[in-house]
Amino acid sequence: GESVGLHLPTLSVQEGDNSIINCAYSNSASDYFIWYKQESGKGPQFIIDIRSNMDKRQGQRVTVLLNKTVKHLSLQIAATQPGDSAVYFCADGASGSARQLTFGSGTQLTVLP
Amino acid sequence: GAGVSQSPSNKVTEKGKDVELRCDPISGHTALYWYRQSLGQGLEFLIYFQGNSAPDKSGLPSDRFSAERTGGSVSTLTIQRTQQEDSAVYLCASSIRGEQPQHFGDGTRLSIL
Repeated sequence: GESVGLHLPTLSVQEGDNSIINCAYSNSASDYFIWYKQESGKGPQFIIDIRSNMDKRQGQRVTVLLNKTVKHLSLQIAATQPGDSAVYFCADGASGSARQLTFGSGTQLTVLP
Repeated sequence: GAGVSQSPSNKVTEKGKDVELRCDPISGHTALYWYRQSLGQGLEFLIYFQGNSAPDKSGLPSDRFSAERTGGSVSTLTIQRTQQEDSAVYLCASSIRGEQPQHFGDGTRLSIL
């Protein structure tokens, strides 16, 4: 079945450095990908998304890269701040009538002072 | 504007009892989703409502789980004869006409004793 996975369960970075969180997916028919940030006790918060007809999309301090050849996407956070500490999830919204997202297990990002 | 609202935020109940969890989506969002998040895990899709269409119940784990959406707005997720493995955070999301992204509430943390 379809699965979405993350390369590392935890990531620690120094404040001010750039962060890169990776994600692999298995369904080659997937045409939509999204990143969420989840702080403790809160629901997932939308960060950025990308469709399969693109390979890069930029937001404020964040960039998502999509490599369909190897079924991999990454989230880059520039100048990481303490407020960026959270669990980051990638999710896959496959094409077709199904609208649900398939989530990976998440990466815990810790920003060190 | 107001986001997705879920109640209660926490629920503790005894094994075997029934529970009802409520979700109030963002105004104007016709699509509503329920997910379950076990401790330290990603989100697991449960059910999806879109307008007046029949709901997609493909993610419900057993017949003890049911959900309804009245008047195309508020939704209630009901778990009958709760078991300890039902302990999790139940998250609700909504979106415009089933399009992405989905916007999440802060969830109901359910604990079964």
